[in-house]
Amino acid sequence: SQTIHQWPATLVQPVGSPLSLECTVEGTSNPNLYWYRQAAGRGLQLLFYSVGIGQISSEVPQNLSASRPQDRQFILSSKKLLLSDSGFYLCAWSPAGVTLYNEQFFGPGTRLTVL
Amino acid sequence: LAKTTQPISMDSYEGQEVNITCSHNNIATNDYITWYQQFPSQGPRFIIQGYKTKVTNEVASLFIPADRKSSTLSLPRVSLSDTAVYYCLVGQGYGQNFVFGPGTRLSVLP
Repeated sequence: SQTIHQWPATLVQPVGSPLSLECTVEGTSNPNLYWYRQAAGRGLQLLFYSVGIGQISSEVPQNLSASRPQDRQFILSSKKLLLSDSGFYLCAWSPAGVTLYNEQFFGPGTRLTVL
Repeated sequence: LAKTTQPISMDSYEGQEVNITCSHNNIATNDYITWYQQFPSQGPRFIIQGYKTKVTNEVASLFIPADRKSSTLSLPRVSLSDTAVYYCLVGQGYGQNFVFGPGTRLSVLP
């Protein structure tokens, strides 16, 4: 069966510090991978998605970046955090390929607080 | 992208049937309708997906009229554990076509 891992679970960082959040998926090959952010009491905002190694599409201009160094590894980074980067970050995966029937599976999330 | 509109919040009591309606007037021919459930501090979880008419699984039913401009998620006999945010998504494929709105916050009362 497939599983998705995210770490850390919680993170408190000062403004201006760097960020690295990691997501890994087990039990599937060449998944589509996603990073979402959810502000308190709000819906999910798609930040990045990837259909393969080294292939990253950005949905929202921001000071964040994403990388996919391995097939089942997705990393969210920032060189300098802003207060507005606080939120609940979720990684998700969906089966490989473009399909009309598309279910996404979400990880446990990372709660980031920037002070 | 097909924009969706849902009620911001709903209240219900245990044992009642809950119907949450989502409007998606500009749904495209190839778009599917998908519903997710999210508990606090967790990622969303897939509930049900459909294209037209009615779909039923062990958790919920999804009713889609012929014009597909709206859909209704039906939760039979809700319990306190069904208190969550429910999202309606319309799209196909992956990536930018999968857009989560603010959802409907369902509160089930004893």
